[in-house]
Amino acid sequence: DGGITQSPKYLFRKEGQNVTLSCEQNLNHDAMYWYRQDPGQGLRLIYYSQIVNDFQKGDIAEGYSVSREKKESFPLTVTSAQKNPTAFYLCASGTGNTEAFFGQGTRLTVV
Amino acid sequence: AQSVTQLGSHVSVSEGALVLLRCNYSSSVPPYLFWYVQYPNQGLQLLLKYTTGATLVKGINGFEAEFKKSETSFHLTKPSAHMSDAAEYFCAPACTSYDKVIFGPGTSLSVIP
Repeated sequence: DGGITQSPKYLFRKEGQNVTLSCEQNLNHDAMYWYRQDPGQGLRLIYYSQIVNDFQKGDIAEGYSVSREKKESFPLTVTSAQKNPTAFYLCASGTGNTEAFFGQGTRLTVV
Repeated sequence: AQSVTQLGSHVSVSEGALVLLRCNYSSSVPPYLFWYVQYPNQGLQLLLKYTTGATLVKGINGFEAEFKKSETSFHLTKPSAHMSDAAEYFCAPACTSYDKVIFGPGTSLSVIP
């Protein structure tokens, strides 16, 4: 089945560690997005990519990094520079005036 | 970037009452518009979409929305709320090849028995 997969569903990080969240899609979509969701704040855009080997910062990119080496994959690294990383992270993909297709999310907790 | 505004971060309705969630868009060119629903600890699911053609669109779970160019609105409605409708709802423009997709803050819907 076509879709977008995020892993892991739950992730725990010690302070000072970098962690990488996986996002894979087999929908042949050009565009991929990472959002952060905190209670009562909706979805905030971290990074997005419209094409392989290119990506742009969103509204809250500080402390995060991404790569887009393959069309299907758009991993997000939460670095130690992100001071408040505990949140729900959502990955999405889309193309040419379509809706966004979302993964099931990764809940990251700093311990 | 195309943007949307959702009025009301939280809406409460009684079971069986009308649901009305508001969305206004800003763009000189009518965009494609979408409503999504999010249940706790899950990703967003498409509820319905407006692309071209009929301005009244029907979605899943009995929801519908009407695209009104004169009002730049795309409000979501359901005639009779059910307990299972309690969720977070987001209005958003389409993915494009040239721009980012900005979501509004969403509207949290509570249904009171």
